Amino acid sequence: AQSVAQPEDQVNVAEGNPLTVKCTYSVSGNPYLFWYVQYPNRGLQFLLKYITGDNLVKGSYGFEAEFNKSQTSFHLKKPSALVSDSALYFCAVRVPTGFQKLVFGTGTRLLVSP
Amino acid sequence: GAGVSQSPSNKVTEKGKDVELRCDPISGHTALYWYRQSLGQGLEFLIYFQGNSAPDKSGLPSDRFSAERTGGSVSTLTIQRTQQEDSAVYLCASSSTTYNEQFFGPGTRLTVL
Repeated sequence: AQSVAQPEDQVNVAEGNPLTVKCTYSVSGNPYLFWYVQYPNRGLQFLLKYITGDNLVKGSYGFEAEFNKSQTSFHLKKPSALVSDSALYFCAVRVPTGFQKLVFGTGTRLLVSP
Repeated sequence: GAGVSQSPSNKVTEKGKDVELRCDPISGHTALYWYRQSLGQGLEFLIYFQGNSAPDKSGLPSDRFSAERTGGSVSTLTIQRTQQEDSAVYLCASSSTTYNEQFFGPGTRLTVL
């Protein structure tokens, strides 16, 4: 069965510093990987996805993520954090065949301090 | 509107009552998903519709939960005889194919007293 782990419940970073939100996955076969962000009292917004191709994926709001097959990771990164990046971040995985649903991690709360 | 819409945004009900939650997906999206997000928890998959295929109901937690999608567009999630543990935010999402990213609605916050 596919699964996603987000090992950190919360990440704290100062504005202007680089940020990393960690995600590891477990699937049989090649994964499709996604990052979503949720602002308070809002639905989830798509940030970026990895399907195939370049391991470094660039997405919305200056975020990027690196697919690492050997480490089964898909960490979310941003070179310079903004206070407005403070939100709940979800990593998700699915396989190209079989299960049609996304399996989400438990989320990581990012807090960017001024 | 251009996005996924859900109604109502908030629903407060008494234990034992039935509730219906509505989702209006992005026009042209063939895939529709329902998830549940409990306080402090991640997203729990409930049900998935793809075109005219039989829905994937594997995530429904009990037979009190059901969903339908009429005309390949609007979907209704029904919870019968609600229980306090049903209190959560119910999120709907749609995608243009099953392989593309899902676009989420704002959710319906259900509170069962």
